[in-house]
Amino acid sequence: EDKVVQSPLSLVVHEGDTVTLNCSYEVTNFRSLLWYKQEKKAPTFLFMLTSSGIEKKSGRLSSILDKKELFSILNITATQTGDSAVYLCAVSPSGGGADGLTFGKGTHLIIQP
Amino acid sequence: GAGVSQSPSNKVTEKGKDVELRCDPISGHTALYWYRQSLGQGLEFLIYFQGNSAPDKSGLPSDRFSAERTGGSVSTLTIQRTQQEDSAVYLCASSSAVRTSSGNTIYFGEGSWLTVV
Repeated sequence: EDKVVQSPLSLVVHEGDTVTLNCSYEVTNFRSLLWYKQEKKAPTFLFMLTSSGIEKKSGRLSSILDKKELFSILNITATQTGDSAVYLCAVSPSGGGADGLTFGKGTHLIIQP
Repeated sequence: GAGVSQSPSNKVTEKGKDVELRCDPISGHTALYWYRQSLGQGLEFLIYFQGNSAPDKSGLPSDRFSAERTGGSVSTLTIQRTQQEDSAVYLCASSSAVRTSSGNTIYFGEGSWLTVV
């Protein structure tokens, strides 16, 4: 059974701090790992990672994948209160079945002013 | 619209009643997924439709749950005889049929927040 474990489950920091969110996974026939940001209800897409060691960046957010150690990190620098959200990690297996994503439970990030 | 559209956005229903949740995927997307997210829990896969193939219903939690996708586009998730534990956000997502070696990105709707009282 595919498994995605995120840590920490929750994190409270002050505005301006840098945070690192972790995602480890076990999946048969890995294809890609995705990060989502969830505010209110619907998750919004952040990154899709397929290759080890190649950092993806979008503004103050960046992410990298280690396919040997089976984990990914999501970094947020100079955090702002608008970064407060649940950050979800998901893995996409190759092969048949639903082609759906297996999600972790998320990291609840709270940025205090 | 350009994104995945879901309705209603909020629904309060009495225990034992049936509810229908609707999802309109992104135009041209042949894959459609339903997920459920209960308070404090991760996303739980419910059902997957891909084109005209038989749906993957392996995630449906009980026979009170069913889903249809008519004409390969709009989908309806039906919950019969609702129970309080059905209270959750029901998220619909869609993706294109183009499968690359990297996989597909799926796009979520805003969700339908169901409260069973």
